[in-house]
Amino acid sequence: GAGVSQSPRYKVAKRGQDVALRCDPISGHVSLFWYQQALGQGPEFLTYFQNEAQLDKSGLPSDRFFAERPEGSVSTLKIQRTQQEDSAVYLCASSLRREVSYEQYFGPGTRLTVT
Amino acid sequence: EDQVTQSPEALRLQEGESSSLNCSYTVSGLRGLFWYRQDPGKGPEFLFTLYSAGEEKEKERLKATLTKKESFLHITAPKPEDSATYLCAVTTGANNLFFGTGTRLTVIP
Repeated sequence: GAGVSQSPRYKVAKRGQDVALRCDPISGHVSLFWYQQALGQGPEFLTYFQNEAQLDKSGLPSDRFFAERPEGSVSTLKIQRTQQEDSAVYLCASSLRREVSYEQYFGPGTRLTVT
Repeated sequence: EDQVTQSPEALRLQEGESSSLNCSYTVSGLRGLFWYRQDPGKGPEFLFTLYSAGEEKEKERLKATLTKKESFLHITAPKPEDSATYLCAVTTGANNLFFGTGTRLTVIP
């Protein structure tokens, strides 16, 4: 069946531009997560949604980062006034159940390069 | 502070040469340990979840085991297509997975 999809796959932004990254989770999955992965590192947690509710945003690095999931399905991660340190791969994952101990399925990621 | 350490950072094996990858963790109240495989330019692919010490799971040439301090991913008779980065992650019931930095496995034909 269809997995998690993300768009765009690649994004180049000039410093100071705003960007929006989209995630389409697996249909019916309750939980949705955003992670940031720097080169050669493991993914790092950004934020978590249970349906449309954003229950945890403790990993968002600054108030320039904003995420939403208004109808409990598609999610958008927005980064305002991008900086070079925002360059990374942004991964979205979804899970069938609410419990974080249940397996998460990842999308292919969006590689963001800020020049 | 929660920590997940994977070793070695990189591993080169000849095809057919079995080995193990290690994931050691220090967390308060482990609720689950996950193994993922990640190919270049792709997102992590789920392999296994382990919940309690003594648990083992197998899939093709891979076998994951869990103790109270660490997990091993055993690779039996690896093939070149097993080349990838293997990531270990833990959850303590907080709203996220906490990942290690991965082991980059290369299997040489």
